[in-house]
Amino acid sequence: GENVEQHPSTLSVQEGDSAVIKCTYSDSASNYFPWYKQELGKRPQLIIDIRSNVGEKKDQRIAVTLNKTAKHFSLHITETQPEDSAVYFCAASRGADTGRRALTFGSGTRLQVQP
Amino acid sequence: DTEVTQTPKHLVMGMTNKKSLKCEQHMGHRAMYWYKQKAKKPPELMFVYSYEKLSINESVPSRFSPECPNSSLLNLHLHALQPEDSALYLCASSQVRTGKNTGELFFGEGSRLTVL
Repeated sequence: GENVEQHPSTLSVQEGDSAVIKCTYSDSASNYFPWYKQELGKRPQLIIDIRSNVGEKKDQRIAVTLNKTAKHFSLHITETQPEDSAVYFCAASRGADTGRRALTFGSGTRLQVQP
Repeated sequence: DTEVTQTPKHLVMGMTNKKSLKCEQHMGHRAMYWYKQKAKKPPELMFVYSYEKLSINESVPSRFSPECPNSSLLNLHLHALQPEDSALYLCASSQVRTGKNTGELFFGEGSRLTVL
């Protein structure tokens, strides 16, 4: 099955700095890579995703890059703000034929943005 | 409506009890999921239903019994649980993925279960 590794486990940055979280995956058939943000006591919420036919995607201060050859993908947050503080999970899945979105999650990164 | 609603929000049960967790969505999604999340850990997939049929069971013990009575509802029946089953149980739904959609997962707020 798929195995997703995520680093670092904790990340502390100053407000306004950039933050980068990296993930690697094992299954070369994985073709969908979302990132979820989970605030304390809240549900995971999708913040950005990328499909395997795209190398980079950007949405305002958030960007994701994918290197299929190396099987790794990264989340980049620029101009961080205190409200970006949360746990971020990367994930991977392949369920294209049946439509099942069976995500395998990374272990999570606790991001703390210091004001 | 982009909500996935889970009830109850909190549940405390003894090891001999029988209880159920409920999940509802009205987004027309035909794939629904149960995930288990322990503290400071990622969500772990338990079950996937696609078009109301069980399509994935991640070797979950039989004391957890899922049910999908219709396209909007998903239940998780609990019986003879162990203290180590205490966790946050997250329901999610998505469109069945095609080439034209991303199949984004929408999570509910979860049901926090404590087994005494």
